[in-house]
Amino acid sequence: DAGVIQSPRHEVTEMGQEVTLRCKPISGHDYLFWYRQTMMRGLELLIYFNNNVPIDDSGMPEDRFSAKMPNASFSTLKIQPSEPRDSAVYFCASSLTPGELFFGEGSRLTVL
Amino acid sequence: GQQLNQSPQSMFIQEGEDVSMNCTSSSIFNTWLWYKQDPGEGPVLLIALYKAGELTSNGRLTAQFGITRKDSFLNISASIPSDVGIYFCAGHSGNTGKLIFGQGTTLQVKP
Repeated sequence: DAGVIQSPRHEVTEMGQEVTLRCKPISGHDYLFWYRQTMMRGLELLIYFNNNVPIDDSGMPEDRFSAKMPNASFSTLKIQPSEPRDSAVYFCASSLTPGELFFGEGSRLTVL
Repeated sequence: GQQLNQSPQSMFIQEGEDVSMNCTSSSIFNTWLWYKQDPGEGPVLLIALYKAGELTSNGRLTAQFGITRKDSFLNISASIPSDVGIYFCAGHSGNTGKLIFGQGTTLQVKP
């Protein structure tokens, strides 16, 4: 079975550029989560969706970050404009129940 | 907000030794989970605990859900080199979809 698929795996961009991260959850999973991982802050929940509806976006750092889930099989996390402090590994995860998450391999973002 | 305190932060042990790590919280959780993250990968679920006092094993791994519902521990017996990685505890309160993660325990195993 295919797991959670994220793209790109790596992205290097310059400050001010727009970044779009993509995620395909496991088919049938009702929950989708976006996490950010850094050495300093660990794993931080940015936003999560239930049945394609954003439920809690209180972890989104600021207005430069936005996330969408237009259908059950696709979600995007967009950063515009990007800044060096956004450099991190961004994980998408999906689950059938809220606790048992299945993570993708992550998208490593470097903003120069 | 809810926070999990995970300890130790890191461990360096000899192959064959047993390992123990724990997680505490000021809040009550309905579910405790333990994940492992290998380098360059996403975290993978190891064990999920749903009931206070529950003791669950998965191979060489054993985890317990504390009676107070504010803590959990993970034991690894007879460690092997492939146990290397970062272990995360996570708590879920059941009221929302949020899963709160601890800061992780980095385990290194010397052959």
